Amino acid sequence: AQKITQTQPGMFVQEKEAVTLDCTYDTSDQSYGLFWYKQPSSGEMIFLIYQGSYDEQNATEGRYSLNFQKARKSANLVISASQLGDSAMYFCAMRELGNQFYFGTGTSLTVIP
Amino acid sequence: DTEVTQTPKHLVMGMTNKKSLKCEQHMGHRAMYWYKQKAKKPPELMFVYSYEKLSINESVPSRFSPECPNSSLLNLHLHALQPEDSALYLCASSQDGSFAEYFGPGTRLLVL
Repeated sequence: AQKITQTQPGMFVQEKEAVTLDCTYDTSDQSYGLFWYKQPSSGEMIFLIYQGSYDEQNATEGRYSLNFQKARKSANLVISASQLGDSAMYFCAMRELGNQFYFGTGTSLTVIP
Repeated sequence: DTEVTQTPKHLVMGMTNKKSLKCEQHMGHRAMYWYKQKAKKPPELMFVYSYEKLSINESVPSRFSPECPNSSLLNLHLHALQPEDSALYLCASSQDGSFAEYFGPGTRLLVL
């Protein structure tokens, strides 16, 4: 079974609008971390936001927030006020304690002026 | 300093060449990783070093040879590569026991 599922291969959003990128995960561990990375065409994987499984509050970092719904095993990324520079590939990832990263297949986001 | 550096940024090599990729971090991280990434795909884990010892080798062909000379440096030695090995090679590091991995900018490798 896939550990991380991203069901949106491609998304479009109008500049200045908000967009939600979906991510669901599969684990039986109690302790794990969820991550979102941005990868522009230049190739660098940029760490955006982290949510720990025991964190009760949703993580936020500037215009990025993570909508964590533990019972549904979902960790959606919300980008508010989209900018042209947000156009990139976005990967959701999970790490169970002591284990390697599991990446989703990614969502390609295009911001339209 | 949350930077992982990689050199070179781009590399073109023939199938008979020997080359090396270099990765460096000065964050005191004790785990370092090599990933291979094809276009529009997620990164695939190749190797993990933990405390300078190879802890994971994801069945990578022997034409890829990792080396960790010290806790800040990670090399990937390349020999007799195939055209299908052309990809973006990413290095990452993480604090031991910490969840977050920090990635370098990658080396774009083209094998002719």
